[in-house]
Amino acid sequence: AQSVSQHNHHVILSEAASLELGCNYSYGGTVNLFWYVQYPGQHLQLLLKYFSGDPLVKGIKGFEAEFIKSKFSFNLRKPSVQWSDTAEYFCASSSMEYGNKLVFGAGTILRVKS
Amino acid sequence: DVKVTQSSRYLVKRTGEKVFLECVQDMDHENMFWYRQDPGLGLRLIYFSYDVKMKEKGDIPEGYSVSREKKERFSLILESASTNQTSMYLCASSLTGLSDTEAFFGQGTRLTVV
Repeated sequence: AQSVSQHNHHVILSEAASLELGCNYSYGGTVNLFWYVQYPGQHLQLLLKYFSGDPLVKGIKGFEAEFIKSKFSFNLRKPSVQWSDTAEYFCASSSMEYGNKLVFGAGTILRVKS
Repeated sequence: DVKVTQSSRYLVKRTGEKVFLECVQDMDHENMFWYRQDPGLGLRLIYFSYDVKMKEKGDIPEGYSVSREKKERFSLILESASTNQTSMYLCASSLTGLSDTEAFFGQGTRLTVV
């Protein structure tokens, strides 16, 4: 079955610290991978996405993620976080073999201390 | 801009009532999804639809049904609302394909069942 797991539920960092949020997906076929972000009181928005090609994907606001097929992973990174990055982050996957059903992880709440 | 519009931002219903949540998208997307979002559980898929009149159960369909009579509209129905269905409900839509299947979300409906 298609599933996504995120390793950390809560992360607290100081400003300027580096960030890495873990994400693993279960399906071994062709997958599309996403990171979404939800800022307090706002709706979900896309940070970045991977479909094919370069496994290092750059998104908005300085975020990037690396697709490592051998590890079934798609970890999100940012070299230096800001207070405004405080939000909940969701990893998601879809696959045409599953009819483009979009499945999410449980989310990681990031709090950045100023 | 893709727009996914949910009919209500907040709803309060009584136990046992039949509840309709409506979602409309304006980008001719084939896929539409209903999720519920609960703290610590992320987004859990209730139902999705990949075409008019077609539906597939997600991970937590019990107590819910859906209707897709037109491509742009996807309705979630709570046949007899219960207090454990108090949650944030999110609708999303996406294209079908091998790539570019980013999902766009509505603003959410916060349902309280009393």
